[in-house]
Amino acid sequence: EVQLVESGGGLVQPGRSLRLSCAASGFTFDDYAMHWVRQAPGKGLEWVSGISWNSGSIGYADSVKGRFTISRDNAKNSLYLQMNSLRAEDTALYYCAKTNDILTGYLTEWGQGTLVTVSS
Amino acid sequence: DIQMTQSPSSLSASVGDRVTITCQASQDISNYLNWYQQKPGKAPKLLIYDASNLETGVPSRFSGSGSGTDFTFTISSLQPEDIATYYCQQYDNLPRYTFGQGTKLEIK
Repeated sequence: EVQLVESGGGLVQPGRSLRLSCAASGFTFDDYAMHWVRQAPGKGLEWVSGISWNSGSIGYADSVKGRFTISRDNAKNSLYLQMNSLRAEDTALYYCAKTNDILTGYLTEWGQGTLVTVSS
Repeated sequence: DIQMTQSPSSLSASVGDRVTITCQASQDISNYLNWYQQKPGKAPKLLIYDASNLETGVPSRFSGSGSGTDFTFTISSLQPEDIATYYCQQYDNLPRYTFGQGTKLEIK
């Protein structure tokens, strides 16, 4: 059974940093691209960032480009999101999601999310 | 960047009704269009991938069609358990993804 478990969320002041983690199990992690998707309270889904199986292809939403960095450690079956210079508008539930392919594709499984609150 | 325009933003229908949601891309995305269902307090769930393919285990009353810039998602006979918010999503190889604004479906 595929499991994706996010962690690292919490309350953080504007301008500070936070690192999210996603622990994957139940599948061969380095066979799939992975993504982060967020959802602000009461709002829709917003794609944040994605990374191919070998970290060779990486993409970011314009709203986080230059502030967030996605990475993965295939030896540890883990996905990360380093978030710097956090803003109030980054407040959201952050989901980790698995694709169906090594490079890109549709999001076949999702974690339950970790909540990030940016507030002074 | 590709923009996705999804409509309507909300929809009220009766059990047994046929329900249709549309999604329009700002440029040709071929068939790289997926549909997700999200129930309150839950993570999204993939229903349709690559415009018209039904994900394994998803009831056959759900379907999708379209290519290029115009796409349609249909529930052939609305069931009470279908109450949720539905999202379209496009993807490319960069990777770069975009979600539609969502359609909140309610029972009349």
